[in-house]
Amino acid sequence: KQEVTQIPAALSVPEGENLVLNCSFTDSAIYNLQWFRQDPGKGLTSLLLIQSSQREQTSGRLNASLDKSSGRSTLYIAASQPGDSATYLCAVFRASNTGKLIFGQGTTLQVKP
Amino acid sequence: GAVVSQHPSRVICKSGTSVKIECRSLDFQATTMFWYRQFPKQSLMLMATSNEGSKATYEQGVEKDKFLINHASLTLSTLTVTSAHPEDSSFYICSARTGYEQFFGPGTRLTVL
Repeated sequence: KQEVTQIPAALSVPEGENLVLNCSFTDSAIYNLQWFRQDPGKGLTSLLLIQSSQREQTSGRLNASLDKSSGRSTLYIAASQPGDSATYLCAVFRASNTGKLIFGQGTTLQVKP
Repeated sequence: GAVVSQHPSRVICKSGTSVKIECRSLDFQATTMFWYRQFPKQSLMLMATSNEGSKATYEQGVEKDKFLINHASLTLSTLTVTSAHPEDSSFYICSARTGYEQFFGPGTRLTVL
């Protein structure tokens, strides 16, 4: 059974810092991994999707890496801003007839001005 | 990215009434849609997977007679909470898949009095 773990559960940093969020998964047989952002009371916004054959993806100040063999992914946020404050969720997808996203519990980030 | 809408965004109802939530993929056709439930400060819990034109597949522990799902077209899925009770109060989020990527709606906050 696939399990996804995110560490830390919460993180508070001053504005301008670079930071790393961690995601680990127990079953390396994944098709892809997605990082999402969720603001309080809102839905999920897809940030980055990494295919299993890829090592990383970049979008603006965000960089996500994937090491499938070790079951790990990281989300790197450069030069953090107060507007980055949100909960970040990673989810893995295993392609199958009943393919589902398996979510981690999320990391709640607070960036202080 | 692809856009998924939900309606209503917020609903308050009396105990015993039924509530219908709509989920639409606005600019793509979704062969598969998903319904999630989220409790405060927790991650998303998958309730059911629905494929256009066929019966939904419910996760273990989810009452299919209470949470009716209809996926009548490639752009519309509905979730009806029948005979709602206060314990059904929650944040419901739908998601639509295109290819191997999922996009999420903004969520519906249900409060049952």
